[in-house]
Amino acid sequence: DAGITQSPRHKVTETGTPVTLRCHQTENHRYMYWYRQDPGHGLRLIHYSYGVKDTDKGEVSDGYSVSRSKTEDFLLTLESATSSQTSVYFCAISEGGEYGYTFGSGTRLTVV
Amino acid sequence: QKEVEQDPGPLSVPEGAIVSLNCTYSNSAFQYFMWYRQYSRKGPELLMYTYSSGNKEDGRFTAQVDKSSKYISLFIRDSQPSDSATYLCAFSGGSNYKLTFGKGTLLTVNP
Repeated sequence: DAGITQSPRHKVTETGTPVTLRCHQTENHRYMYWYRQDPGHGLRLIHYSYGVKDTDKGEVSDGYSVSRSKTEDFLLTLESATSSQTSVYFCAISEGGEYGYTFGSGTRLTVV
Repeated sequence: QKEVEQDPGPLSVPEGAIVSLNCTYSNSAFQYFMWYRQYSRKGPELLMYTYSSGNKEDGRFTAQVDKSSKYISLFIRDSQPSDSATYLCAFSGGSNYKLTFGKGTLLTVNP
């Protein structure tokens, strides 16, 4: 998607290993978000950021941490991956909720 | 009561049909109302955005908001197979930087 990229696009990892997903934006938007999307649950907010080094938890933050050292990059880390974290992860950016979000193309993560 | 409710479908219609997708919400603080379209294995994309009660039209798509009933709708006229996707409603206003999403309705338009 224009202005926002996620990497990797696909990843298979083993239970217990750490995993880091990257979101990169070129829009200079203040707000960045990490969601996971699972059948029957829809989009669920994991963590979000409202500025460099300013982050907060969402509704499903257990087992995840984030960092934002630069405006353009927002990293999501699974400290010790579990099978329940198998999901599709989306990053989104925004200038404010009233403007809506722009989503990345997603990272499909499988924990075996 | 859930903050947002959206019928997950699936909804299957023939090409050319009029499609109606709906969401209800309970948070009176919501001021901005959006519809996202998500194709399979893609990220959601903003389709329609409204602020006030009433209708907003964009080509074959019409977004309708009824704040008094806390009900929003998306109508698709002359539906096409390319409209086959999951449609998510989204709301903002309770917090000025977070959206609240419905779970999405899966729509299939059959040729």
